[in-house]
Amino acid sequence: AQSVTQPDIHITVSEGASLELRCNYSYGATPYLFWYVQSPGQGLQLLLKYFSGDTLVQGIKGFEAEFKRSQSSFNLRKPSVHWSDAAEYFCAVGADSKTSYDKVIFGPGTSLSVIP
Amino acid sequence: DAGITQSPRYKITETGRQVTLMCHQTWSHSYMFWYRQDLGHGLRLIYYSAAADITDKGEVPDGYVVSRSKTENFPLTLESATRSQTSVYFCASSEWWGRAQHFGDGTRLSIL
Repeated sequence: AQSVTQPDIHITVSEGASLELRCNYSYGATPYLFWYVQSPGQGLQLLLKYFSGDTLVQGIKGFEAEFKRSQSSFNLRKPSVHWSDAAEYFCAVGADSKTSYDKVIFGPGTSLSVIP
Repeated sequence: DAGITQSPRYKITETGRQVTLMCHQTWSHSYMFWYRQDLGHGLRLIYYSAAADITDKGEVPDGYVVSRSKTENFPLTLESATRSQTSVYFCASSEWWGRAQHFGDGTRLSIL
């Protein structure tokens, strides 16, 4: 079965600064990896996903993530943060499998605050 | 518009009452899921469904019942609500088991 950790519970950055949110996963095979964002009072919105191929993945809202197999990581980055990026961010890992253990697992989330 | 809708958005009820949360998706996705989100616990899977008439338990199924008579609908019922079931409930759908999930906006349920 998979597992996901997000080491940072809360991060504060200044508007215009760069951002990196960390995600580490555990899975025996090549995983499917996702980043979601949740604004207050809203559901989770998919930012980007990695299935295979190029390890640098581009997503919506100017976000990107890099899959590093050797480090079991899938960190989310943005070169310049906007105040509207303040939200909760969830990393998730899944698999292309029919077994009940290979479901999508969500990390605990990282709360992002943006200082004007 | 295509998407996934949950109703109601907010619900207040009393302990012991039965309450049903509705979920409707327009993508014809095979898989549908119910999660609850609580501070300190993140997202926890309650039930999921692989297709119409096929449902299975997730991590925290006790006290909940689901059905899926049509592909597009996946209602969640609390048969006898308890205060511990006060939470925000999210419905999601996906094309396949391990693939990206699409979420509704949630139902905030308070049980007094």
